[in-house]
Order: sequence, then C-alpha cells, then structure tokens
Amino acid sequence: EVQLVESGGGLVQPGGSLRLSCAASGFTFSNYWMTWVRQAPGKGLEWVANIREDGSEKYYVDSVKGRFTISRENAKKSLYLQMNSLRADDTAVYYCARDQRFSGYEYFDYWGQGTLVTVSS
Amino acid sequence: SYELTQPPSVSVSPGQTARIACFGDALPKQFAYWYQQKPGQAPVLVIYKDSERPSGIPERFSGSSSGTTVTLTISGVQAEDEADYYCQSADTSGTYVVFGGGTKLTVL
Repeated sequence: EVQLVESGGGLVQPGGSLRLSCAASGFTFSNYWMTWVRQAPGKGLEWVANIREDGSEKYYVDSVKGRFTISRENAKKSLYLQMNSLRADDTAVYYCARDQRFSGYEYFDYWGQGTLVTVSS
Repeated sequence: SYELTQPPSVSVSPGQTARIACFGDALPKQFAYWYQQKPGQAPVLVIYKDSERPSGIPERFSGSSSGTTVTLTISGVQAEDEADYYCQSADTSGTYVVFGGGTKLTVL
C-alpha cells in the first residue's frame, strides 16, 4: 500500500524558516518524480514544486522561487521542502504527492494527509 | 502566468447528471486531470489523461475534452459526491503544473 506521511509543519514567524519532510512507503520511491502542493485555508490547490527521480531536475511556482528548495534522499525514501523567508501568504496545508510525470503528461496519483504551516507573529 | 478556469459552484439533485467545466488555452495540447476533495481530506484523483478512470473510481465519473474545454461528468449523482473538484493540467511547455480554482459540487 502506497503511503505518504508529511511532517515538520508548525507555527513560524514571518521571515523564518521551516523544513517539511515526507516519508514514502509501499512503492519504489527512486522511480518517481515527487511533488509538493499546498492549500491555503479555505482556498484551492496550488502546485508548489516538483523534483525528478534522481533530483537532477526541479521546478517551482514563481511565488516560491528563490525561497523554497525541494530535495530528496532516495536511500531514506524521503522528500523535503526547505522553506525560507516565509510570508503570511505561505500559510497553508502542504501535501506531498507521488508524481506521474512522463513525456506529455503529469498527474498526482497518491497524496499524503498534509501538514499545516502557519506563518504569523 | 497560465490559468485554468472553473465555475465556483454547481448544484444538482440526487440522481441527476453534474457537469463541471474547466477552460484553458493550453488544453488542446495538454492532458487534463480531475481531483475530488472532501472537507478535511486530501485530494483524490478521479480522472486522468482527459477521460481515463483510475481503478476504484465509480463508473459514474467520466471525463471529456473539446478544444480549450475539458469536462468532468458525474452521472447519477449521489450524496457522497458532494465535494470540491479541481482540474489540473500543465502550461504549453508542459513544464509547470497548474490547478483550476476548484468547483464546489452541492447535492441538493
């Protein structure tokens, strides 16, 4: 059974940093792209970043470029999101998802339950 | 930046057919995907590659595509289908993922 479990969320002050983790199990982690998606309270889904199987390609939504870094450790079956210079509008539930990305298509077939990040003074 | 546009809400009575549209300029070139999200839960993929249904998703869920519009159709809507539905695709380059704003389906 595929499982994705996020951790690392919490309350942080504006300008602060936080590192999210996602522990994967039930599939060969190193064979898949992985993605972070967030959802602000009462709002819709927003794709944040994704990373290639071997970590050699990474893409980000414009609003987090230069502040967030996605990474992975395949030996530990873990995905990370380092978030720096956090702002109030980064407040959201952050989901990790398995990314079915191939030539011509990309979608997310398994999701974790999410971890809440609150940026507030 | 590229956007996908969905109606904010759709309402139907039980047993009727619900249609949720999603508009985007790149949709003729990029596949679309649909997710169902119930309150307090993670999204669930219900349609991929415009019209394919993942295993475990009821047959009443279907998808179609025509030009710049993709449509999620739920036939014989049930009370349990009440949820938010999001379309997802990519920009024209296929590099960046984008979600629609979401549609709240209300079962009257």
